[in-house]
Amino acid sequence: RKEVEQDPGPFNVPEGATVAFNCTYSNSASQSFFWYRQDCRKEPKLLMSVYSSGNEDGRFTAQLNRASQYISLLIRDSKLSDSATYLCVVNIRMDSSYKLIFGSGTRLLVRP
Amino acid sequence: DAGVIQSPRHEVTEMGQEVTLRCKPISGHNSLFWYRQTMMRGLELLIYFNNNVPIDDSGMPEDRFSAKMPNASFSTLKIQPSEPRDSAVYFCASTHTIRGNTEAFFGQGTRLTVV
Repeated sequence: RKEVEQDPGPFNVPEGATVAFNCTYSNSASQSFFWYRQDCRKEPKLLMSVYSSGNEDGRFTAQLNRASQYISLLIRDSKLSDSATYLCVVNIRMDSSYKLIFGSGTRLLVRP
Repeated sequence: DAGVIQSPRHEVTEMGQEVTLRCKPISGHNSLFWYRQTMMRGLELLIYFNNNVPIDDSGMPEDRFSAKMPNASFSTLKIQPSEPRDSAVYFCASTHTIRGNTEAFFGQGTRLTVV
């Protein structure tokens, strides 16, 4: 079983739609959580951190459920420019360092 | 800062040849990660270093792969001998670990093709 699992998609939605992605993780030593965005043939870049209380950044909302070990990302009012792959990331404490584990990503296609 | 710098950007090599990928992390960052990305397997962690020391290499696929970090500003990932199934994009990322809530910055990747 992978440490971080995501539905690969693709999610194909019209502009203006609301779309949600979920991610589950298996390691209970996971300390912190993030969503990264990766455009085609580019490197991943941080989209937002995920806090226990949930957090919002404009049209993006991230939620964390530690009891069920899942993380979600909600995108409201989708734009064409949101088309990308969204990677769920878990930071696992390893003694004095941290190990970043990425999910395989969920692909989003926003159509006109 | 120029960000994480990887070289080469593209590498095409013949099966059996040695390949060396290079990474310069962001100055001041104390953790460095090597990832491999393919369509089939996504982004896989190969190895990571903390303060130049390899911490976890359990993701290294086999003995043909090795990585070093001789100092805080340079790391290499070597494949010897290379095989066609090693074809992938290899990313290097660096972070500065503060309580684990840190952003990882990626280089632009090295696209490796082994023919």
